[in-house]
Amino acid sequence: AQTVTQSQPEMSVQEAETVTLSCTYDTSESNYYLFWYKQPPSRQMILVIRQEAYKQQNATENRFSVNFQKAAKSFSLKISDSQLGDTAMYFCAFNGGANSKLTFGKGITLSVRP
Amino acid sequence: NAGVTQTPKFQVLKTGQSMTLQCAQDMNHNSMYWYRQDPGMGLRLIYYSASEGTTDKGEVPNGYNVSRLNKREFSLRLESAAPSQTSVYFCASSEAGGPRYNEQFFGPGTRLTVL
Repeated sequence: AQTVTQSQPEMSVQEAETVTLSCTYDTSESNYYLFWYKQPPSRQMILVIRQEAYKQQNATENRFSVNFQKAAKSFSLKISDSQLGDTAMYFCAFNGGANSKLTFGKGITLSVRP
Repeated sequence: NAGVTQTPKFQVLKTGQSMTLQCAQDMNHNSMYWYRQDPGMGLRLIYYSASEGTTDKGEVPNGYNVSRLNKREFSLRLESAAPSQTSVYFCASSEAGGPRYNEQFFGPGTRLTVL
């Protein structure tokens, strides 16, 4: 079974600075997908970024980018130029590819300070 | 295009009562899911439906039943609610293929309290 670990329960960053959220996973699959979801206080789950394991290039979406280290089974999220609206809970998620089920980490609460 | 909708948004039950959480999606997705979210636990899969007419257990299915009524609708039923089922429940859906394969779209959630 796959596991996803987010070891930091909380982080804080000053507005306009850069922050990195860590995620590690364990799997025996060779082809899989990784996701970061954002959950603001509104409770709505929003996809931030996705990475296909077969792609060597790290995914980027505007201020959000990932550092995908397949051998180390690490998938961290970097948020540049942090904004107050980035305050939320962030979940790392894994999909093994054979079916569409997701395994989530326990999440990290990010606070952006003005 | 409403995406994934859930009803109700909030519900309070007494122990032993039953209720059904409703979920519908208008994106023509084949796969649908029910999760529960508890503090410090992330989201855990209760049941999922890979396609119309099929359902399978997830990580925490005990105490729940599901029905995939048609391609659009996937309901979750609590037959005899227990305080341990106090949680926030999310419905999600995803495509079976294509460029957004495995990307799950979530509903707004239902906060359920069992007294």
